[in-house]
Amino acid sequence: DPKIIQKPKYLVAVTGSEKILICEQYLGHNAMYWYRQSAKKPLEFMFSYSYQKLMDNQTASSRFQPQSSKKNHLDLQITALKPDDSATYFCASSHWYQDTQYFGPGTRLLVL
Amino acid sequence: AQSVTQPDARVTVSEGASLQLRCKYSYFGTPYLFWYVQYPRQGLQLLLKYYPGDPVVQGVNGFEAEFSKSNSSFHLRKASVHWSDWAVYFCAVRGTNTGKLTFGDGTVLTVKP
Repeated sequence: DPKIIQKPKYLVAVTGSEKILICEQYLGHNAMYWYRQSAKKPLEFMFSYSYQKLMDNQTASSRFQPQSSKKNHLDLQITALKPDDSATYFCASSHWYQDTQYFGPGTRLLVL
Repeated sequence: AQSVTQPDARVTVSEGASLQLRCKYSYFGTPYLFWYVQYPRQGLQLLLKYYPGDPVVQGVNGFEAEFSKSNSSFHLRKASVHWSDWAVYFCAVRGTNTGKLTFGDGTVLTVKP
């Protein structure tokens, strides 16, 4: 059974719209992360959370907002979508902050 | 700042041959280093990790890597490559005071029959 679930697997959106990417982990981990992988850039760190608190934020744009409603959830809300936001977004988790990270299968987002 | 360079964008080896994928890191201090593998249309899977200690670390599926502080390197090796090793390999570094992983651009490994 998958231990890190990302939903949806694929997502198509129109420019200017808003989407939420879901991430749930069932590993009992206390830290969660978001990364982005696009054709133009390699894997890029976005956010890290520990015990539902923001630890690192490397995303310049406020259009990207992580949301942690539960300890094992870290969703990513993206507003005012642009074609440049097209990428695969990976969620990861670790037992504690700064521990080894394990990745989910990703959500492939295409913005038209 | 931390950074990783994987100088070989593509490597092709014959099945059964040995493999080395290169990784150079930049970090002022003691780094934590990782190799991940990404199979087509899948997420990243951890192959192995280096935490300060023995410079040679063993991973899954016969992979190993050697840390060299003098060369700022963390090269990945495998004695005999299998066709199922065809994938993209990423080296990553993390510093001691952050949860952020910084990845290299990846190396595409192709295995010839």
